[in-house]
Amino acid sequence: KNQVEQSPQSLIILEGKNCTLQCNYTVSPFSNLRWYKQDTGRGPVSLTIMTFSENTKSNGRYTATLDADTKQSSLHITASQLSDSASYICVVYNNAGNMLTFGGGTRLMVKP
Amino acid sequence: NAGVTQTPKFQVLKTGQSMTLQCAQDMNHEYMSWYRQDPGMGLRLIHYSVGAGITDQGEVPNGYNVSRSTTEDFPLRLLSAAPSQTSVYFCASRSIYEQYFGPGTRLTVT
Repeated sequence: KNQVEQSPQSLIILEGKNCTLQCNYTVSPFSNLRWYKQDTGRGPVSLTIMTFSENTKSNGRYTATLDADTKQSSLHITASQLSDSASYICVVYNNAGNMLTFGGGTRLMVKP
Repeated sequence: NAGVTQTPKFQVLKTGQSMTLQCAQDMNHEYMSWYRQDPGMGLRLIHYSVGAGITDQGEVPNGYNVSRSTTEDFPLRLLSAAPSQTSVYFCASRSIYEQYFGPGTRLTVT
């Protein structure tokens, strides 16, 4: 069964600190992996897209990594800001691109 | 370019009532889909459409109907609302590069 597991479920950090969110998946065949940010009361918004051949991709203070061998991805947030408070969702697309498997998300709270 | 729009933003229904959640996109995307999001769970696919006149079931289709008469619109109908359908509903449309989500409809069934 295709599954995406995210950890931790929730995280509280102080403003300015770094953090890393984890995503493990068992989706097969794999097409790509995406990280989304979902602010409270809003729809998810794409942060990064990782294909099979990509190990690292950055988007500002967000850096995603992908290890296709171990089927793990991480999202590292540098110098966190209050506006980073949100849920971060890992989504894996299968090879056909038609089916998406969503992780349950990590809820991040950045405190001043 | 409004992207993906959804109405209403909030809705309260009584058990047994029916209603339609509206979704529209102005990006000329062929692929559109409906998800529900429940606390502690990932988004789950209800129905999807790969083009006007073509719809198919997702992971949790029971209790919901869809139609796709135009490229722009993809309404979701609840036939007879049940408390188990209390959730946040997201419509999304996709290009080959990216998926765009609407702002969501928060539905409560009492």
